[in-house]
Amino acid sequence: AQSVAQPEDQVNVAEGNPLTVKCTYSVSGNPYLFWYVQYPNRGLQFLLKYITGDNLVKGSYGFEAEFNKSQTSFHLKKPSALVSDSALYFCAVYTGGFKTIFGAGTRLFVKA
Amino acid sequence: EAGVAQSPRYKIIEKRQSVAFWCNPISGHATLYWYQQILGQGPKLLIQFQNNGVVDDSQLPKDRFSAERLKGVDSTLKIQPAKLEDSAVYLCASSFTGQKPTGELFFGEGSRLTVL
Repeated sequence: AQSVAQPEDQVNVAEGNPLTVKCTYSVSGNPYLFWYVQYPNRGLQFLLKYITGDNLVKGSYGFEAEFNKSQTSFHLKKPSALVSDSALYFCAVYTGGFKTIFGAGTRLFVKA
Repeated sequence: EAGVAQSPRYKIIEKRQSVAFWCNPISGHATLYWYQQILGQGPKLLIQFQNNGVVDDSQLPKDRFSAERLKGVDSTLKIQPAKLEDSAVYLCASSFTGQKPTGELFFGEGSRLTVL
């Protein structure tokens, strides 16, 4: 079965420190990989995506993600966290047939 | 470019009552999705439309949930009768599915339902 796993329910990091939010997937073929962010009482917003090419993709708000095909991972990273980055982050995989599978989400808490 | 519009933003009802949510996708987006997001969980797909046809409704509780997209543009999701466990945020999303689909979903702000 196709799935997306986010192994951490919550990630805590101090402001100014680097952050990593982990994601692994189990999908056949060459899927498109996404990260979305959700702020309180808001819908999900697109952060970045990987389709093909360079394994390191850059997105909004200084975030980047590293695609690793052998480990089937797509971890979200940021060199220096901000308090305003505190939110819920979802990894997602876009498969054939216009279908998207979401992970359960990871809550990021950045402490000042 | 206008985003995905949803209404109402909040709704509180008693169990066994009915409720309807409305969504207007981004102009030109043929694919429309309704997701249910229970607090602390990821979005769960309820139904997916391609134009005015249903592509996937395998996880839609059809005994109480219904959805339509009659003219291939806006959509309505209805719950009747509501149960306590239907308390959730209902997210509408749309995507461009032309010759080169990007896979990116555009979400509305969501409609938060509380069933008492």
